[in-house]
Amino acid sequence: KAGVTQTPRYLIKTRGQQVTLSCSPISGHRSVSWYQQTPGQGLQFLFEYFSETQRNKGNFPGRFSGRQFSNSRSEMNVSTLELGDSALYLCASSLAGTQYFGPGTRLTVL
Amino acid sequence: DAKTTQPPSMDCAEGRAANLPCNHSTISGNEYVYWYRQIHSQGPQYIIHGLKNNETNEMASLIITEDRKSSTLILPHATLRDTAVYYCIVRPYGGATNKLIFGTGTLLAVQP
Repeated sequence: KAGVTQTPRYLIKTRGQQVTLSCSPISGHRSVSWYQQTPGQGLQFLFEYFSETQRNKGNFPGRFSGRQFSNSRSEMNVSTLELGDSALYLCASSLAGTQYFGPGTRLTVL
Repeated sequence: DAKTTQPPSMDCAEGRAANLPCNHSTISGNEYVYWYRQIHSQGPQYIIHGLKNNETNEMASLIITEDRKSSTLILPHATLRDTAVYYCIVRPYGGATNKLIFGTGTLLAVQP
């Protein structure tokens, strides 16, 4: 089976712009979670989707949003980018409780 | 906050067993112990998980103490490619969320 895929792998944006990241889960996995990783804060949970519904959300501002489609693919959006949003954004899909991570999208905000 | 405590770093000689400890003294009866590792700038990789019995797969062994307050991940023959940050996480199995709470993990450096 193919693993979790994330696109794009690298992205450079400027402050104030918005960005959309995409995640394709492992075939058959219906749960998708997003995490942010920075050197200062480590790996932090953003949100989780299951069957197109957000069922858990981390402590991030409303500029961070996501959605899940009927095929379980997910997108996350960050609006009005700030320098501090520079991070590795990781997507993970789950079946029976175990999460499997994608390679991440490295976002740099200038 | 993470419910686990791990040493910040450990060294291991190539070819020897790497034993990574984790304390989870407040673990609940329905919580499993999960181990992931992250090689620099890659996505975390699932290694193994367990409830109370010792577990083994092709990557590692997981030893959980009888009182379940601590565990040890064992890489039987460490290689240079095992150099990574190892995360020990406790979470309920199943339930309404798959959310993982990561701590700071242990940086394992395998030395040639």
